[in-house]
Amino acid sequence: DGGITQSPKYLFRKEGQNVTLSCEQNLNHDAMYWYRQDPGQGLRLIYYSQIVNDFQKGDIAEGYSVSREKKESFPLTVTSAQKNPTAFYLCASSINVRGGTQYFGPGTRLTVL
Amino acid sequence: KQEVTQIPAALSVPEGENLVLNCSFTDSAIYNLQWFRQDPGKGLTSLLLIQSSQREQTSGRLNASLDKSSGRSTLYIAASQPGDSATYLCAAHYNTDKLIFGTGTRLQVFP
Repeated sequence: DGGITQSPKYLFRKEGQNVTLSCEQNLNHDAMYWYRQDPGQGLRLIYYSQIVNDFQKGDIAEGYSVSREKKESFPLTVTSAQKNPTAFYLCASSINVRGGTQYFGPGTRLTVL
Repeated sequence: KQEVTQIPAALSVPEGENLVLNCSFTDSAIYNLQWFRQDPGKGLTSLLLIQSSQREQTSGRLNASLDKSSGRSTLYIAASQPGDSATYLCAAHYNTDKLIFGTGTRLQVFP
């Protein structure tokens, strides 16, 4: 089956720790995205990538880092510099950034203890 | 500033009703507009995408319209069912490589 997978589904982090969220797609899409969703707010873009080995900051990139070494994979690291990391994180992909439907993964809920 | 607004924030209707969800965007120079459905604790599922050159799109009981001049899109759901209960999000795509999301309308359809 084609689609986007995210792991883990739930993640708990102690303050001061870095954690990495996984996102994999087998849709052969060039573009991939990371969003953060907080209660009562719309999705906010963290980082996006148009192609392998390229990525751009979104609206709330501070405290996050990404890599795009393979077309299929776009991991997100939440660093200790992110002051309020507890949120629901969603990964998405599309054929390219200039249009077309974005397809979303099931999400990872990160909780800082 | 490009913003997307959805009204109402929540809606509760009896099964069988036809209903309309509203989405407003401040900048009419959109590339396309998308409607998504989100179930609690889940990712987003794409429902409909309307290109800027189109006026509407239909899929089953769903119909989405786009009026760029007024900065509005509506999602029409015919003969609503309890299984339609979810949060519906619209998102505007501008020529900036990014989607701008609204905060969603939480729909509950009761039997």
